[in-house]
Amino acid sequence: QKEVEQNSGPLSVPEGAIASLNCTYSDRGSQSFFWYRQYSGKSPELIMSIYSNGDKEDGRFTAQLNKASQYVSLLIRDSQPSDSATYLCAVRGGSARQLTFGSGTQLTVLP
Amino acid sequence: EAGVAQSPRYKIIEKRQSVAFWCNPISGHATLYWYQQILGQGPKLLIQFQNNGVVDDSQLPKDRFSAERLKGVDSTLKIQPAKLEDSAVYLCASSLSGTGGGFWGYTFGSGTRLTVV
Repeated sequence: QKEVEQNSGPLSVPEGAIASLNCTYSDRGSQSFFWYRQYSGKSPELIMSIYSNGDKEDGRFTAQLNKASQYVSLLIRDSQPSDSATYLCAVRGGSARQLTFGSGTQLTVLP
Repeated sequence: EAGVAQSPRYKIIEKRQSVAFWCNPISGHATLYWYQQILGQGPKLLIQFQNNGVVDDSQLPKDRFSAERLKGVDSTLKIQPAKLEDSAVYLCASSLSGTGGGFWGYTFGSGTRLTVV
């Protein structure tokens, strides 16, 4: 079983729609959760972090965490073509507290 | 603040040759990480340093990979000898604290794209 799982996609949504990205994790002791955006040929860029159950909003982005279900999601409202990228879910846990990444979901926002 | 600096940006070598990558983390960041990202996959941790000590190198192929962070600041990752499957982007990241308390995400450098032919 992979430690952090994401649907690889690709996921396509029309401009202005809501994009929903999902992630599950296996380590129940995980304490913090991150979403990174990675444009093609670029390095990952942190866009959201969440530590407590519930929702956290930042502009057009909303991260949702359900520790009982071991589930993290990212919603992107009013999707723009510039949001087209690979979105990486990362989970922090373990004794050394390093991040474990999923394989990413490729998102394409169609004009 | 200045970001995480990495060099070189690109490197092409033949199999069985050696190669080294350099990373300078954000000033004041005690924890430094090297990740390997193969095309189409998420980053995979190779080694984690806290100051100049190794915290986790369980996924580092020690028969061919080595890394050091001698003065607790910049770091070098070396591959010797390289194999075709080492073709990947090598990402360096740093954070304020990697162990104990703290929930900071990482800041990544621009990466080094290695092609082994």
